[in-house]
Amino acid sequence: DAGVTQSPTHLIKTRGQQVTLRCSPKSGHDTVSWYQQALGQGPQFIFQYYEEEERQRGNFPDRFSGHQFPNYSSELNVNALLLGDSALYLCASSFSRGPGYTFGSGTRLTVV
Amino acid sequence: QQQVKQSPQSLIVQKGGISIINCAYENTAFDYFPWYQQFPGKGPALLIAIRPDVSEKKEGRFTISFNKSAKQFSLHIMDSQPGDSATYFCAVAGGTSYGKLTFGQGTILTVHP
Repeated sequence: DAGVTQSPTHLIKTRGQQVTLRCSPKSGHDTVSWYQQALGQGPQFIFQYYEEEERQRGNFPDRFSGHQFPNYSSELNVNALLLGDSALYLCASSFSRGPGYTFGSGTRLTVV
Repeated sequence: QQQVKQSPQSLIVQKGGISIINCAYENTAFDYFPWYQQFPGKGPALLIAIRPDVSEKKEGRFTISFNKSAKQFSLHIMDSQPGDSATYFCAVAGGTSYGKLTFGQGTILTVHP
């Protein structure tokens, strides 16, 4: 039974560019949430998608957007990248918006 | 606004010892209190979680103690092993933030053989 799958694992982008990160949830899960984890910090909630809609959003600017597809997979898009966007981006899935998350191993984004 | 405060930042324990990590929260609406373990290069993995209707939950060597009146909960790792060396995060969820985890700052645990 596959867990949460994220791609790519590592990514280097230039300041001002745009990036798309992808996530496939654990089998049986219908809710996907995205977190940003800066080095040495706890994960910070970006937003949650359920039934293809953004249901909750954390304190992140509109440069961060997402999408959920009918098969429950999800994308995180970040526009106009800043150096401060360098972080580990974690996708977490759960069933029916519950907090019992399973996390993926993340995408390490470096903005230069 | 820091909703979850975790301590200590780092902890060194000898093999076989007890590791204790503490968290304090502010919002009484929270009703889900998990602990996550994270190894370098990996995402957080759920260790154990508790709801506020019980004061303690034990799973193997891991125990959560919960004090609702003090708005505090702690993780106890009994018989700590070198393989337990990792970063541990407490988190909270519930109320209007149902489904959203708010994490503590993390504790780096090192268990010496």
